[in-house]
Amino acid sequence: EAEVAQSPRYKITEKSQAVAFWCDPISGHATLYWYRQILGQGPELLVQFQDESVVDDSQLPKDRFSAERLKGVDSTLKIQPAELGDSAMYLCASSKDRPGEDTIYFGEGSWLTVV
Amino acid sequence: GDSVTQMEGPVTLSEEAFLTINCTYTATGYPSLFWYVQYPGEGLQLLLKATKADDKGSNKGFEATYRKETTSFHLEKGSVQVSDSAVYFCALIHNAGNMLTFGGGTRLMVKP
Repeated sequence: EAEVAQSPRYKITEKSQAVAFWCDPISGHATLYWYRQILGQGPELLVQFQDESVVDDSQLPKDRFSAERLKGVDSTLKIQPAELGDSAMYLCASSKDRPGEDTIYFGEGSWLTVV
Repeated sequence: GDSVTQMEGPVTLSEEAFLTINCTYTATGYPSLFWYVQYPGEGLQLLLKATKADDKGSNKGFEATYRKETTSFHLEKGSVQVSDSAVYFCALIHNAGNMLTFGGGTRLMVKP
């Protein structure tokens, strides 16, 4: 069964350093999401792409976070500079078509610890 | 805005006990409703979904019925196993929208 691939699984970085996460959605899925899940809480949407275009980035802290999906396939989420409060799991997800009409599939997540 | 409220955990049960995890939502219109499960150290897996009122989603012995009159989507299982120990998230999304809104999650611990 096809999966959403994410890397790295675990990342420890020092405060003020840059960090990047990569996601490869299920083949053919036009919609890609990045979520942040703080320990003990539910995931919160950071950014949503439809192909290579950003559909919703209203919750993305744009002073330090950036996301791109240049060719409409894989995506990178970057944090620079990292802060202690950024420690969380970063989940990538994808869906084939319109949300609400299809299933959203999640990757295994990338754990970030900022020290 | 849309919101999802789940019962707080942890919920601790003995194996073969009956499970109910309550979920209620606030949303305009007719959202689709989901239950996701997260095993330790892993991402989220879709457990079941329902897209319209009175629909029942089911999978792996779990069931949930979309109740519009009570704005609820409670998760049930007749006989839990140790392997069901995980965190369960209720979520909604509007058919015309683009954002999956999650509840805070409920941790289930099943003891042998």
